[in-house]
Amino acid sequence: GENVEQHPSTLSVQEGDSAVIKCTYSDSASNYFPWYKQELGKRPQLIIDIRSNVGEKKDQRIAVTLNKTAKHFSLHITETQPEDSAVYFCASLSGGGADGLTFGKGTHLIIQP
Amino acid sequence: DAGVIQSPRHEVTEMGQEVTLRCKPISGHDYLFWYRQTMMRGLELLIYFNNNVPIDDSGMPEDRFSAKMPNASFSTLKIQPSEPRDSAVYFCASSFRDNYGYTFGSGTRLTVV
Repeated sequence: GENVEQHPSTLSVQEGDSAVIKCTYSDSASNYFPWYKQELGKRPQLIIDIRSNVGEKKDQRIAVTLNKTAKHFSLHITETQPEDSAVYFCASLSGGGADGLTFGKGTHLIIQP
Repeated sequence: DAGVIQSPRHEVTEMGQEVTLRCKPISGHDYLFWYRQTMMRGLELLIYFNNNVPIDDSGMPEDRFSAKMPNASFSTLKIQPSEPRDSAVYFCASSFRDNYGYTFGSGTRLTVV
């Protein structure tokens, strides 16, 4: 089955700086890559996603890039704010779609004031 | 729409007791997923349904776990008998098609003592 690796496990940045979280996947047929944000005690919420026919997607301060050849994708958050502090999960849907989303282990993003 | 609704929010039970978790997906969504979240293992897919039919239950830990979806608006996850290692947050999620973002419920925090 699909395997998703996520790095780093913890990321601390100064408010206003940028944050980058990286994920790799194993199934070359994977075609859908969402990112979720989970605040403490809350549910994971979809913040952005990208499909395999697109290399980059942006939504205000958040962007995601996909490199199919290298089988990795990244989340970029610019001009970070205190409310960006949370755990972020990447996920991948393998090409067959039969296994559901496979999630990375998560990155705890800490925004330092 | 009220989103994905799970009950109960918290459940504390004694080892050996039966536990039933409930989920109401978003109306019109034809996929329903049960995930378990722990610090050690992250988000693990237990089972998912398409149009009320179980598609993949390979993530169900063992025979003590069972899930049903008797109609499009209701699903249950049952653990019998429960064990302390089953303590986790159990999330239900639904989606329209399998390659769209999942909407998660608020989760059920299960503690088995």
